[in-house]
Amino acid sequence: EAGVAQSPRYKIIEKRQSVAFWCNPISGHATLYWYQQILGQGPKLLIQFQNNGVVDDSQLPKDRFSAERLKGVDSTLKIQPAKLEDSAVYLCASSLGLYTDTQYFGPGTRLTVL
Amino acid sequence: DQQVKQNSPSLSVQEGRISILNCDYTNSMFDYFLWYKKYPAEGPTFLISISSIKDKNEDGRFTVFLNKSAKHLSLHIVPSQPGDSAVYFCAASEGDKVIFGPGTSLSVIP
Repeated sequence: EAGVAQSPRYKIIEKRQSVAFWCNPISGHATLYWYQQILGQGPKLLIQFQNNGVVDDSQLPKDRFSAERLKGVDSTLKIQPAKLEDSAVYLCASSLGLYTDTQYFGPGTRLTVL
Repeated sequence: DQQVKQNSPSLSVQEGRISILNCDYTNSMFDYFLWYKKYPAEGPTFLISISSIKDKNEDGRFTVFLNKSAKHLSLHIVPSQPGDSAVYFCAASEGDKVIFGPGTSLSVIP
């Protein structure tokens, strides 16, 4: 079974530029998550989709971050414009359903904002 | 305000000995707890979980203990192996929201 795929793996941009990350979840997984992991901290949930609807985006900085889940499968996370404090690893995860279902994580995208 | 705390950023253990990783939480509404393991340049992988109605769950070399009155859980690895060297995240959930701790980096010395 293929795991969660993410691209790119690494991205370096200057502040005020835009960047987009892509995630392909495990086939059949209804729930998709985007996390931000700053160095030395645990993953912090940015947004959670159930199929193509948003379940929770309370911690998404909506003035600069946006996310969509195309046809309930792939997802993109965009930052526009980027700030220095956005430097982090962005993790995508998927699970069969909600609640206590195990989340399967992709390898992450390491973003460096200069 | 951190709802899930892992107060030891790092831990070193000799191969074959027991590793004990600790986690404290503040929200008494958490009803499910998980441990994830993360190797460098990889995403976290699920290791073991425990429901709040239990106080112990065991899976091979890994055992998680939950003390609800103290709002404390621990992960025991016995015996520890060099391949266990990784960052371990404690996570707690209430409903469909999962909150992760900052992680403990475990080094198992051969």
